[in-house]
Amino acid sequence: KAGVTQTPRYLIKTRGQQVTLSCSPISGHRSVSWYQQTPGQGLQFLFEYFSETQRNKGNFPGRFSGRQFSNSRSEMNVSTLELGDSALYLCASSPSGRAGGELFFGEGSRLTVL
Amino acid sequence: DAKTTQPPSMDCAEGRAANLPCNHSTISGNEYVYWYRQIHSQGPQYIIHGLKNNETNEMASLIITEDRKSSTLILPHATLRDTAVYYCIVGSGGGADGLTFGKGTHLIIQP
Repeated sequence: KAGVTQTPRYLIKTRGQQVTLSCSPISGHRSVSWYQQTPGQGLQFLFEYFSETQRNKGNFPGRFSGRQFSNSRSEMNVSTLELGDSALYLCASSPSGRAGGELFFGEGSRLTVL
Repeated sequence: DAKTTQPPSMDCAEGRAANLPCNHSTISGNEYVYWYRQIHSQGPQYIIHGLKNNETNEMASLIITEDRKSSTLILPHATLRDTAVYYCIVGSGGGADGLTFGKGTHLIIQP
């Protein structure tokens, strides 16, 4: 069974640009959540999607958005990039996102903002 | 803020058992204790979780105190590949509510 796939793995952008990151969950998983990891703040929850609906959102500005498609694949978008958005963005999937379940993380997309 | 307290770093000799402590004194009755680990710059990897009872799987054992205010992750025979940052997390865990990661414990396995 293929794991969680994130693309691209590495990318470089400049301030003010926007970026879209993609996540393909494990087959059959309908819950996809996104996390940002920086050296200063550690791993922080961005948002979670289930059946194309955002169910929960972390404490991030509106420049961070996401969506989920009918095949459960998800994308996240960051607009008007700032230097502080440089981070490892991680996607995780689970069958339903229900309590007591485990998350399966991808390898991440490393974004550098210059 | 994370609801758990872990030592920032620990050393363990290869082949010995690694015992990683975690304090979670404010845990609620319906919150699970989860352990994940992250090997340098890779995505976190699920290890084990439990609610009240001790749990064991092929990777590790989880010992939860009776009052649920602390727990210990045990890697029975540590190898060099177990060197990683280990995160103890309390919450629903399923994904919908988001996991709150703290700073974790950097476990270094010494040859």
